[in-house]
Amino acid sequence: TQLLEQSPQFLSIQEGENLTVYCNSSSVFSSLQWYRQEPGEGPVLLVTVVTGGEVKKLKRLTFQFGDARKDSSLHITAAQPGDTGLYLCAGGLWSNYQLIWGAGTKLIIKP
Amino acid sequence: EAGVAQSPRYKIIEKRQSVAFWCNPISGHATLYWYQQILGQGPKLLIQFQNNGVVDDSQLPKDRFSAERLKGVDSTLKIQPAKLEDSAVYLCASSLKTPREAFFGQGTRLTVV
Repeated sequence: TQLLEQSPQFLSIQEGENLTVYCNSSSVFSSLQWYRQEPGEGPVLLVTVVTGGEVKKLKRLTFQFGDARKDSSLHITAAQPGDTGLYLCAGGLWSNYQLIWGAGTKLIIKP
Repeated sequence: EAGVAQSPRYKIIEKRQSVAFWCNPISGHATLYWYQQILGQGPKLLIQFQNNGVVDDSQLPKDRFSAERLKGVDSTLKIQPAKLEDSAVYLCASSLKTPREAFFGQGTRLTVV
């Protein structure tokens, strides 16, 4: 059974601070995506990484895929209240087109 | 490009009643997913279609849940009879053939009373 573990489960910090959330597995994925979900909405894709060691930046968000394609991290610099939400990672498997989901990190940025 | 459309947005039913949700995926997306999401948790896959064939329905409670995707486009998810623990948001998502990005609808919030 493939599992994706996200940590921390919950994070509450002040505006302007930096943070990192993690997504770890013992399985190798063909791709890994990060999503953000706001209350009452479906998850929205932030980024997809496919190459081991890949780093992608989206404004203040930096995403990294582990060299072995088993883990990923999301780093937010100078967090803002608008970053508040549930951050989900999902790993893609080529063998059966499945997406394996983490349980999410609930992030609250206080003004 | 139109996104994934779901209806209804909200539904309140009594336990033991039946309910159906509808999903229209993004045009050209071969893969369609139905997820159940309990408040504060990640999505739990109920069923995955590749065109109109089922790829994975291992976590679908088949005694009460059913889903179909006729002609490989629209899909419906049905619950009959509903239980209190079925209260959740039901999300539909679609993606291209490969297991890459999934695009989600807004979901249907189901409350069973």
